[in-house]
This record gives sequence, structure tokens and C-alpha cells, in this order.
Amino acid sequence: QKEVEQNSGPLSVPEGAIASLNCTYSDRGSQSFFWYRQYSGKSPELIMFIYSNGDKEDGRFTAQLNKASQYVSLLIRDSQPSDSATYLCAVSGRGGKLIFGQGTELSVKP
Amino acid sequence: SQTIHQWPATLVQPVGSPLSLECTVEGTSNPNLYWYRQAAGRGLQLLFYSVGIGQISSEVPQNLSASRPQDRQFILSSKKLLLSDSGFYLCAWSVEGGSTDTQYFGPGTRLTVL
Repeated sequence: QKEVEQNSGPLSVPEGAIASLNCTYSDRGSQSFFWYRQYSGKSPELIMFIYSNGDKEDGRFTAQLNKASQYVSLLIRDSQPSDSATYLCAVSGRGGKLIFGQGTELSVKP
Repeated sequence: SQTIHQWPATLVQPVGSPLSLECTVEGTSNPNLYWYRQAAGRGLQLLFYSVGIGQISSEVPQNLSASRPQDRQFILSSKKLLLSDSGFYLCAWSVEGGSTDTQYFGPGTRLTVL
């Protein structure tokens, strides 16, 4: 079992729809969870982080964490073509390191 | 505010040649520094991390090495490049001793080994 798993996609949604990106992790001791966005050919940029169970909202983005199920998700409301990118889930590991999933490619169609 | 620089942005090197990639961070002191490699269509692979000057931890055995000669400078090197070294090399930093483990990435260096 991979430490951090994401559906590779591509996930295709129409413009204006809600995009839902999912991530599961194996280490129950993980405390911090991150979502990064990576445009093609560019470096990852941090979108959100979450530490506590429940939802955390920032503009059109909502991160959801369920530690009991070892599951973290990212919802993007009112998806725009500019949201088309690969989304990386990262989970804190030992010694301050992050463990990254393989990423989910999102395509928002106009 | 903190900024992170990497250079060069792109590099094409022949097999067997040496390599030196540089990363510098501004606006913070004693950061944790990281080198990642991302092969085409793949996830991020942590190569090295450093919690201070001269302190380097290697994650994956390979023909690469890293050094941290100054607090905010991190260098990735190789004596002889392999074809498999091609990829997108990313440097990242985080706050030393911070509770969030949040990492911020530089713009990256795209390396092609021919």
C-alpha cells in the first residue's frame, strides 16, 4: 500500500461545477495535511493546509479531513478553466518531511 | 517576505558530465531545506534534506550529493550524470522547528541528460 494515494485522473468537470479531489494516507500518526497545485511545467504551489478534523474553507476551496478514515479531500467550487492543473496531496511524515501522492490531474472544460 | 531562487532554470547535459544546481532562500533564517526530483508524469521524490549548515540527510541512494555551505544555500551535485537523472529538480524550504511542516517550493530546474 502506498503511503499517500490519489486517483491519477484525469478528472474532467464542466466550468462552474464542483471538483472533488480525494486522498487517503496510511500513517495514523500524521498530523498535517496539505494540498498543492501544479500547473504543467511549473513548481507546486501551496493551496491549503489542514490539521483538524472537519472542513476548512478558503474562497472557492474547501479542505476536508477525516482522521478516523485516514482521508483528506479538496473541493473546488465554481470550477474555472484556470483551475486545470495537477493537484498534489501531501501528508506530514517523520522529522518534518512531507509524503506526496502521485497527484490528480484536473481538467475544467469551458 | 520569503523568496526562494533556483538556477539554472533549464539545463541540457551529456551523460557522464558533472552537475551543480543551486538553491537560495531569502527572508528567513535557519530554514529546513529540501531537494526533490520529479520525473515526467511522476510524483515528487525526496532526495535530500537539511536542518542546518553541513547537515545533510539522504533519502535515496544514487549518484547525487547535496551540500549546504551557508545557512540559506543548498547545492545539488553529481560527478557523472546518468540518463535516469533527467527530471524536474525542486528545492523547497520550511520553517526550522515550525509546527506546520509547510514547505514552499522554488521555481525548479528542468534537467535533460542526453
